[in-house]
Amino acid sequence: EVQLVQSGPEVKKPGESLTISCKASGYSFSTYWIGWVRQMPGQGLELMGIIYPGDSDIRYSPSFQGQVTISADQSITSAYLQWTSLQASDTAIYYCVRRRDGYNYFDHWGQGALVTVSS
Amino acid sequence: QSMLTQPPSVSAAPGQKVTISCSGNLSNIGRNYVSWYQHVPGTAPKLLIYDNNRRPSGIPDRFSGSKSGTSATLGITGLQTGDEADYYCLTGDSSLSAAIFGGGTKLTVL
Repeated sequence: EVQLVQSGPEVKKPGESLTISCKASGYSFSTYWIGWVRQMPGQGLELMGIIYPGDSDIRYSPSFQGQVTISADQSITSAYLQWTSLQASDTAIYYCVRRRDGYNYFDHWGQGALVTVSS
Repeated sequence: QSMLTQPPSVSAAPGQKVTISCSGNLSNIGRNYVSWYQHVPGTAPKLLIYDNNRRPSGIPDRFSGSKSGTSATLGITGLQTGDEADYYCLTGDSSLSAAIFGGGTKLTVL
């Protein structure tokens, strides 16, 4: 069974750093893309970027380029989303998603991780 | 504001049919496959339709998808109260070199 299990909720202050994780299991981790999707409070879904763990090819959506860092560790089949300096506007639910190579849909989703940034 | 336009809300009675539109342009829907997602707040979104009109295993045939030109449509027949959710379309955009979601549509089953 394919599973994407995300790390738990986080409460941080502005300016702090943060890395959240997504542990994948039940499939060949290196041959599927893993992406991150943001949902800000009361807003819709936004794709932040995706990574292909097999060769660490990373594609950021234009709005998120330079704002976050996406990475993956094949040895522990995990993907990461990192901030170096959080802002209140980063408060959102973040979902990791799986995408089959060569296709443009997300067939499995993590449970979501709520990140709250508040002073 | 998303480059893919969806109606903010639709509603219909149980047992009825509803359609949700997703309007784009030649750089996105016009040249890429469309997928659709159901999102019940507080849960993970779920893939309903991929490659314009294909259903993953386990998705009932009450859900259907179509695409024509630069627009796509999700259809839901035999509405149930459990279908109340937010629905999103997704496609690639060649000008952005990224996938984009529609703004989402809230379905209310009256």
